Amino acid sequence: EIVMTQSPATLSVSPGERATLSCRASQSVSSNLAWYQQKPGQAPRLLIYGASTRATGIPARFSGSGSGTEFTLTISSLQSEDFAVYYCQQYNKWYTFGQGTKLEIK
Amino acid sequence: EVQLVESGGGLVQPGRSLRLSCAASGFTFDDYVMHWVRQAPGKGLDWVSSISWNSGSIGYADSVKGRFTISRDNAKNSLYLQMNSLRSEDTALYYCAKAHSLYSSCPDYWGQGTLVTVSS
Repeated sequence: EIVMTQSPATLSVSPGERATLSCRASQSVSSNLAWYQQKPGQAPRLLIYGASTRATGIPARFSGSGSGTEFTLTISSLQSEDFAVYYCQQYNKWYTFGQGTKLEIK
Repeated sequence: EVQLVESGGGLVQPGRSLRLSCAASGFTFDDYVMHWVRQAPGKGLDWVSSISWNSGSIGYADSVKGRFTISRDNAKNSLYLQMNSLRSEDTALYYCAKAHSLYSSCPDYWGQGTLVTVSS
């Protein structure tokens, strides 16, 4: 089983600032990496697939990078609606989610 | 518009069985891999099982292997999860999700979930 590890567990950032979230895989997943946003009481929302491709309707302030075992989600200028929990998921060998990063208002 | 509507959740005693259903609409169901993902109260996302368009490829998380069975009926645009020998740790909100595409099988559209509570 591929283990996905996200860091940090909680990230405190002020609106308008940049947020950088990390995800590491226990073995290479190539570019088969997705990022999701989840708000309380809602289903997850796909943000990024293929490590760096934004899903339909996702604002350009969201960007993904990385390949192999190291991945990053960057939100360039945080808006109030961006404060949520973010999950990475590998889909190279079946599927595994990271434990999540909670992005909170500083 | 893609719609995924889960049903079949409820309160069940440990060791008993439950069958979840997911009704899909708004897309060509038999073109896509489908997934079940769960989320225990206050916890993160946990992949449960996935099934290819023709049921030829099926996968399970180790935690449910041998107890859960995924299936689909393309004629009815429906996905199912038969859950046997339920345990307290299976308590969660169960989401049905559609794969993004043939080349990126990660889930894109998700239902709102059906809650399964395993308790005596």
